[in-house]
Parts: sequence; structure tokens; C-alpha cells
Amino acid sequence: DTAVSQTPKYLVTQMGNDKSIKCEQNLGHDTMYWYKQDSKKFLKIMFSYNNKELIINETVPNRFSPKSPDKAHLNLHINSLELGDSAVYFCASSRQGWGELFFGEGSRLTVL
Amino acid sequence: SQQGEEDPQALSIQEGENATMNCSYKTSINNLQWYRQNSGRGLVHLILIRSNEREKHSGRLRVTLDTSKKSSSLLITASRAADTASYFCATDGGGSQGNLIFGKGTKLSVKP
Repeated sequence: DTAVSQTPKYLVTQMGNDKSIKCEQNLGHDTMYWYKQDSKKFLKIMFSYNNKELIINETVPNRFSPKSPDKAHLNLHINSLELGDSAVYFCASSRQGWGELFFGEGSRLTVL
Repeated sequence: SQQGEEDPQALSIQEGENATMNCSYKTSINNLQWYRQNSGRGLVHLILIRSNEREKHSGRLRVTLDTSKKSSSLLITASRAADTASYFCATDGGGSQGNLIFGKGTKLSVKP
């Protein structure tokens, strides 16, 4: 069983479109995260959720919105996609708000 | 601002040699972690060292932490071709919940 799974793995879309990436963890963790990795491999945290409450929201455009229907899921919705949104997006989870992170395999988003 | 910075950015060695990667950070921390990322994959946690620890071992991995210098090193002994990957350090910035901050990583290439 995959601990943290995210779909889709690849996403190619046009500028201006709206898209979603789904994430699920079966580890029973309390906190889930979204990270963005740019073309230079730099990882930056975007959001984290703890018990369905947003506890971190870095300087991310409000076109990005996390949605957590339950503790095991944290989906990422992106509106009005821009070229600069092209990146690999990673979902992760942890038992507490710190400690070891378990990452998904990433979703590569390409905006044309 | 970026917390951890690894050096070197890239390292190429022969199988059987040791590989040392360094990480520097700027603020106080509760713990420091090292992660590995194989090409096209998610990050995998390797080891966590707490701020009151100076050295930690896990198999062929040895991590040191010097909080006075705000630096850490990851040593991989007797490297194998399968160790080829990018290695990232991550710190919690001394904060409470989440917000694990990653460096840009060291790309290690182990040649058979």
C-alpha cells in the first residue's frame, strides 16, 4: 500500500485553466502538507493542514487553495493557471506538526 | 528566506568511496533532518538529529550537528551506485508546527 498517494502524476494544461491535484495518506497522520519544487529543485512549503485547520499559509497566491474533506485527504486546487505555476507539487504528511515527513511521488504540472 | 544550504551543489565519486555533504542554516532549530530524492521521485526521510544531539548513525549514514556553527554534515560510507540521488537537509526554524524548510540539495553521483 502506498503511504502517501497523489494524482495525477503528470498534468499538462493551458494557461488560464483550473486544475486540481488530489492527495491521500493512509498513515493516520494528523498533519498534511503541500510543497512546490521548482526547476532548480528548490522545495518550498505552500500549505499545511492539521485536523482540517490551515496552520501555515506561506506567501502563496490566492489562486491556490487547499481543500481537506477529512484528515486523510488534502487536495490542491489551482485557478487561472499561469506559466510560472509549472513545477512539481509534492504532498506530504507527518504524525505531528514536526518530525519526519512522508512524501508522495509528486505531480508534475506543465502550463503551456 | 531559505534556511538550509547544502554544499557542494554536486558531488561525483566512485563506488566504494565516502561522500560528505554539508548543510548550513541560519536560525535556531529543534531538529535537523536529511532527505534523499531519487530522480523523478518523492523525498525519502533518512535521519533526524535533535538540537541536543551531536552525532547520529543509521547504517552507512553518519550525521553530525554543530549548533554553535549552525551546520550539519551527512557522511555516506562505502557508497554504492544506488546512492546516486539528491540529498536535502531540512530544518524546522525553531518554530512549533510544521514549516520544514529545505535547502537546495546536493546532487550525488556514484559511478560504478
